[in-house]
Amino acid sequence: AQSVTQLDSQVPVFEEAPVELRCNYSSSVSVYLFWYVQYPNQGLQLLLKYLSGSTLVKGINGFEAEFNKSQTSFHLRKPSVHISDTAEYFCAVSDRNFNKFYFGSGTKLNVKP
Amino acid sequence: GAVVSQHPSRVICKSGTSVKIECRSLDFQATTMFWYRQFPKKSLMLMATSNEGSKATYEQGVEKDKFLINHASLTLSTLTVTSAHPEDSSFYICSASGQGASSYNSPLHFGNGTRLTVT
Repeated sequence: AQSVTQLDSQVPVFEEAPVELRCNYSSSVSVYLFWYVQYPNQGLQLLLKYLSGSTLVKGINGFEAEFNKSQTSFHLRKPSVHISDTAEYFCAVSDRNFNKFYFGSGTKLNVKP
Repeated sequence: GAVVSQHPSRVICKSGTSVKIECRSLDFQATTMFWYRQFPKKSLMLMATSNEGSKATYEQGVEKDKFLINHASLTLSTLTVTSAHPEDSSFYICSASGQGASSYNSPLHFGNGTRLTVT
């Protein structure tokens, strides 16, 4: 079985500052890793994913994440945030058949002017 | 890109009535659909997984007689909340994966969710 831990439930940050949202996972098998963003009263939108290859993956809206197998982490980063990045961010893992997705508890990013 | 349409976006119903939520894949064949429930300030809880033409597989603790899931075609799955009570009020989200949905690039496509309020 897999599980995902997002330790930070809320992250306040000022506009144009860098941000890192943490994600750790546990799994007994190889997994795929994802970050999704959710705006209020909407579904989830894929930000980026790690399936294989380079451990540094770049996604939409200037976000990137680094897969660290030894630390079982997949932290999300952005060097300079905008007000429009205010949303909730979910880390997720799936098995390699995409049969099941497990989501973390989410991190609310609040970008202040 | 692949699109999943979920309807209605909001519904208010009286206690004891049933509510049906539809999830449609608009431009791909959704061989598998997932239904999630999202509680305030919490993550998405997987309720059930349904494959087209088969009975849904429910997660532990989810009442299958209360949350009826039908996946009769490759483009439509429905979730019916039967005899709804105020504690069923929540945000329900469907997602789909399948053929023709660029599955390798984006394996899971989400609907925009349904806000259910039971009064």
